[in-house]
Amino acid sequence: AQSVTQPDIHITVSEGASLELRCNYSYGATPYLFWYVQSPGQGLQLLLKYFSGDTLVQGIKGFEAEFKRSQSSFNLRKPSVHWSDAAEYFCAVGHSGNTPLVFGKGTRLSVIA
Amino acid sequence: GAGVSQTPSNKVTEKGKYVELRCDPISGHTALYWYRQSLGQGPEFLIYFQGTGAADDSGLPNDRFFAVRPEGSVSTLKIQRTERGDSAVYLCASSLGTGINQPQHFGDGTRLSIL
Repeated sequence: AQSVTQPDIHITVSEGASLELRCNYSYGATPYLFWYVQSPGQGLQLLLKYFSGDTLVQGIKGFEAEFKRSQSSFNLRKPSVHWSDAAEYFCAVGHSGNTPLVFGKGTRLSVIA
Repeated sequence: GAGVSQTPSNKVTEKGKYVELRCDPISGHTALYWYRQSLGQGPEFLIYFQGTGAADDSGLPNDRFFAVRPEGSVSTLKIQRTERGDSAVYLCASSLGTGINQPQHFGDGTRLSIL
């Protein structure tokens, strides 16, 4: 069965500092990987996705993620965090076809001055 | 353009009551998904529609939960004999069609509280 693990429940970073959010997945075939962001009281917004090809993918809001098959990881990064990035971040996995997504439990990001 | 719309945004009801949650997908999106997000958790899949039919309802927790999409657009998630454990945010998403290449667009959810 598919599963996604986000080891960090809560991370605090200073504004302007770099960020890396970890995501590990368990999947029997080539995974399709996603990062979503959720602000309080809002739905999920897609940041970026990996289907195939270049393992470093660029997303919106200056985020990027790198797919590492050997480590079963898809970590999200941003070189310089802004206060507006404070939110909950979810990693998700799916596969081709009609299967809905399996989400991790999320990582809450706090940004301090 | 309009995104996925969910109504009501909040619903408070008593244990044992019946509730209906509505989802208006993005116009032209043929696929529609329902997820449930409990406090401190990620969204969990409930049911998925392609057109009018439920393509996969394996995530529905029990027979108190039911969803319909009679005209292939608006969907209603129905919960009978509600229990306190049903309290959660119910998220709806839609996508252009089948296949993982079509990203899912989410609504803001309905926060359901069972007293």
